[in-house]
Amino acid sequence: GAVVSQHPSRVICKSGTSVKIECRSLDFQATTMFWYRQFPKQSLMLMATSNEGSKATYEQGVEKDKFLINHASLTLSTLTVTSAHPEDSSFYICSASSGTNTGELFFGEGSRLTVL
Amino acid sequence: DAKTTQPNSMESNEEEPVHLPCNHSTISGTDYIHWYRQLPSQGPEYVIHGLTSNVNNRMASLAIAEDRKSSTLILHRATLRDAAVYYCILRDSFNFGNEKLTFGTGTRLTIIP
Repeated sequence: GAVVSQHPSRVICKSGTSVKIECRSLDFQATTMFWYRQFPKQSLMLMATSNEGSKATYEQGVEKDKFLINHASLTLSTLTVTSAHPEDSSFYICSASSGTNTGELFFGEGSRLTVL
Repeated sequence: DAKTTQPNSMESNEEEPVHLPCNHSTISGTDYIHWYRQLPSQGPEYVIHGLTSNVNNRMASLAIAEDRKSSTLILHRATLRDAAVYYCILRDSFNFGNEKLTFGTGTRLTIIP
């Protein structure tokens, strides 16, 4: 079946630095990708919707200048956490849609960010 | 979006069937019922989905009430690898391919050896 891959799976960074997380659709073209954030023992919260070749649509309360999303190709979307702080430590998950009516959305393995 | 209600947690013995309930009393006629599960430290994975009729696949069965206001995910023989958080989600069929998913709190299933 279709596969969505995230990289890195784990990252530790110092406060104030920026971190980039990649999300790739490996065997299909993803017209739309979604970025979620999940804190411990909580559910997934949608951060933004990313469409290839256009600006991302951010959910209310998500700072677009802090969480930069780029969807430059049909197989790659990136999330950059800029000037990371300890409160940004979380599990970041992407999902991808091919835009067809198959019923299934595919999720990446997740990327755990720890900001010291 | 129509909301779903699930028990916060459930326990089941290994190799026993598990019935995970979901209430969706405000479901609309075009909403499909989807189930995803999330194993520890992983992204969610698709389990099953349906509209009106009961559905079976290699992972599970989905039983949908006649009035569609509730559904039950059935794991026929639970294994330790089925321990996960199970999410019941409604998706509007008119925008199937691109619609974002709204996750509720889900049911944390614990399997007892």
